[in-house]
Amino acid sequence: NAGVTQTPKFRILKIGQSMTLQCAQDMNHNYMYWYRQDPGMGLKLIYYSVGAGITDKGEVPNGYNVSRSTTEDFPLRLELAAPSQTSVYFCASSYTHPGLAGRAYEQYFGPGTRLTVT
Amino acid sequence: GIQVEQSPPDLILQEGANSTLRCNFSDSVNNLQWFHQNPWGQLINLFYIPSGTKQNGRLSATTVATERYSLLYISSSQTTDSGVYFCAVPMNSGGSNYKLTFGKGTLLTVNP
Repeated sequence: NAGVTQTPKFRILKIGQSMTLQCAQDMNHNYMYWYRQDPGMGLKLIYYSVGAGITDKGEVPNGYNVSRSTTEDFPLRLELAAPSQTSVYFCASSYTHPGLAGRAYEQYFGPGTRLTVT
Repeated sequence: GIQVEQSPPDLILQEGANSTLRCNFSDSVNNLQWFHQNPWGQLINLFYIPSGTKQNGRLSATTVATERYSLLYISSSQTTDSGVYFCAVPMNSGGSNYKLTFGKGTLLTVNP
């Protein structure tokens, strides 16, 4: 059981380039999330998904897109990378209260992707 | 949305000392997690504790939901306890509890 995995670990992009950050979990969790962490700060929610085919915006969605075609995978797409997107990106997943919509247990995090845009 | 404040922002200890980290939040919550981010950046789950008290080895946590705070206790600190400790709660009170907002963290340094 690998938990939450993310690739790549590090990446350097030039301004205007695009890339996809990969995230996968093998815990059969319904809910998945993408966060970013800027230096010296806590994490901020970018996008989340409550199940395959369902995604929604978090606090800071501008400049990003997501898709969720399977329970296991939740890729994050950066289009037209900007220096402001230099950050560490974390993917997370959680399982839900049976029979209680919108209620979830603790979130488990992947190891992160360190992205630099220059 | 719910505001989260953690204190102190920085803490320096000698190995073997005890410490208490605090997390205050501005509204009622039905989810609260404590994390440790180690010096390599990895986020480690410490406690899922929307209310009550839990213990795990040298660490324990207490959440008093009615008073809107949570405390993380570290006893007999070790150098491996160094890192940033984050508290996270739902962005909004009531209803769904899975969209988390994080405090700015407490940076703990344990010296040998």
